[in-house]
Amino acid sequence: GDSVTQMEGPVTLSEEAFLTINCTYTATGYPSLFWYVQYPGEGLQLLLKATKADDKGSNKGFEATYRKETTSFHLEKGSVQVSDSAVYFCALSDPVEGAQKLVFGQGTRLTINP
Amino acid sequence: NAGVTQTPKFRVLKTGQSMTLLCAQDMNHEYMYWYRQDPGMGLRLIHYSVGEGTTAKGEVPDGYNVSRLKKQNFLLGLESAAPSQTSVYFCASSYGIQQYFGPGTRLTVL
Repeated sequence: GDSVTQMEGPVTLSEEAFLTINCTYTATGYPSLFWYVQYPGEGLQLLLKATKADDKGSNKGFEATYRKETTSFHLEKGSVQVSDSAVYFCALSDPVEGAQKLVFGQGTRLTINP
Repeated sequence: NAGVTQTPKFRVLKTGQSMTLLCAQDMNHEYMYWYRQDPGMGLRLIHYSVGEGTTAKGEVPDGYNVSRLKKQNFLLGLESAAPSQTSVYFCASSYGIQQYFGPGTRLTVL
């Protein structure tokens, strides 16, 4: 079945550092890919998405490019802030009858120190 | 708009007790989902619904039942709770490819 593998955490960085969180996937079809973010005590929020190969999703300074040849969707940000501290989830969608069944990675906890 | 709301926020059950988690959305979305989140495992899909009156099994449906009697509500039931069902439960709804998540229900089964 479909699966998503994320880089193990936790990840701790200093403010203004460069961030990469690796994500690779296995899928039989051509899924859409997502990064969701979960702030402490809250539900998940969509951070960015890409629906086909070579698409780049971007939001709030974060970027990720859908790489079909390497089955990857790595999350990057050039200069992180303390407010970026959260848990980040990579996910792919398995559409069924219009529903989007999401398959998630295990999550990466990111802590940014001032 | 309230978006997706979940009731209750916290609950403690004893093994064998039953309970129902309520999810409500005011965005007129057709599709709704229940996930559970466990440490180190991300979120896993329990059940989902493609419209009023429909339900379908997800990845981990055993021990749970669901109902979608009204378009805006999706109920998750535990008939006989087990300690393995201790988790944080998230409801979501979607229109296109984006899902909108509720704040979660933290359930502990003793």
